[in-house]
Amino acid sequence: DVKVTQSSRYLVKRTGEKVFLECVQDMDHENMFWYRQDPGLGLRLIYFSYDVKMKEKGDIPEGYSVSREKKERFSLILESASTNQTSMYLCASIYTLGVAEAFFGQGTRLTVV
Amino acid sequence: AQSVAQPEDQVNVAEGNPLTVKCTYSVSGNPYLFWYVQYPNRGLQFLLKYITGDNLVKGSYGFEAEFNKSQTSFHLKKPSALVSDSALYFCAARDSNYQLIWGAGTKLIIKP
Repeated sequence: DVKVTQSSRYLVKRTGEKVFLECVQDMDHENMFWYRQDPGLGLRLIYFSYDVKMKEKGDIPEGYSVSREKKERFSLILESASTNQTSMYLCASIYTLGVAEAFFGQGTRLTVV
Repeated sequence: AQSVAQPEDQVNVAEGNPLTVKCTYSVSGNPYLFWYVQYPNRGLQFLLKYITGDNLVKGSYGFEAEFNKSQTSFHLKKPSALVSDSALYFCAARDSNYQLIWGAGTKLIIKP
């Protein structure tokens, strides 16, 4: 089975802190994604990467950056955390864009106080 | 604009009864459609997808979905609901950039 693992299930950070969310997948997928999930809004794409060192902005990239130095690892960075970034963050990987199913990590619930 | 709509925030069904979770879509080109389920405090799990072919798609845990091109719908169904089916269900469609567009989610509650 494909495993997508997010480094933390729950995080509490202070406003202004730099926050790192890590995601690792073990199936050699090219494509990796970071989503934000908020009630009633579904999943919103923050950033995605289709190859090592490649990144593309999604629908809501403001306040976030990403890093993909190795194929299996995709990191989401909140440069200066704010309370409106309190949310559930989901990492996903896909073998083939648009056709294959996405595999998700268990999610990181981030609270910024 | 391309979009996916799940018109019901919540669906309540008695155990043993059939269930339907609705999804409609608006995308360019041929629709590639997906259903995912999210159990409490978990990530999303893939249930089924429609790419081409038979309009009735069978998936995991006894779920199926019916693709209707004229109504631009892809409703999720199950003949007999289980309490363990209670979860959040998301419909998604591939857009013209090969990204997934997500519905807002429908909370399914199965009552014993």
